[in-house]
Amino acid sequence: QSALTQPPSASGSPGQSVTISCTGTSGDIGGYNYVSWYQQHLGKAPKLIIYEVSKRPSGVPDRFSASKSGNTASLTVSGLQAEDEADYYCSSYAGSKNALFGGGTKLTVL
Amino acid sequence: EVQLVESGGGLVQPGGSLRLSCAASGFTFSNYWMHWVRQAPGKGLVWVSRISKDGRSTSYADSVKGRFTISRDNAKNTLDLQMNSLRAEDTAVYYCARDLQYNLPDYWGQGTLVTVSS
Repeated sequence: QSALTQPPSASGSPGQSVTISCTGTSGDIGGYNYVSWYQQHLGKAPKLIIYEVSKRPSGVPDRFSASKSGNTASLTVSGLQAEDEADYYCSSYAGSKNALFGGGTKLTVL
Repeated sequence: EVQLVESGGGLVQPGGSLRLSCAASGFTFSNYWMHWVRQAPGKGLVWVSRISKDGRSTSYADSVKGRFTISRDNAKNTLDLQMNSLRAEDTAVYYCARDLQYNLPDYWGQGTLVTVSS
């Protein structure tokens, strides 16, 4: 069982928006503004798409946005495209503990 | 361009050893903490180990503590993971990753597959 909880799957049609949640505790997500999100296409390495809760690295489309409320972080993909179909993982700083990952969410574009 | 290239994976019997390497380029390697993260087939990402910029500070997941050793050579821009007493549950793709901040990676290598089986 992963330290951070994500839904195993999510889906949406092209052009729609979908939101993926990531739930932790006050000792990780709730306690720090250091949450990252990674996109992983099948057979590929993870790619950073969000850091520090809501910041996007250069080159990541603004269709990807994220936020945090309490112990839950959320990733929203707007204007879904076929290329967005992938696994998405959240990760959070956890103080004296090492970084935690969520179990991953498989996003399907219908 | 940041590049991380892992090598050293393969098939090993239970109880055996393997040494993974990661060659870094495109950034000042000695300025960054580094991680190893693994992913069992069909499963999620699991943090394994990290090492400080100068190699003096290391930490490990409980599942590998005492069996795995992380090290780095800043002169050669390489990161290593010595894996001993391997178990079937260590079977995974092992990724080398650069630390952005607060133990959260930014760039990842393409991974190297380790299979522990008789």
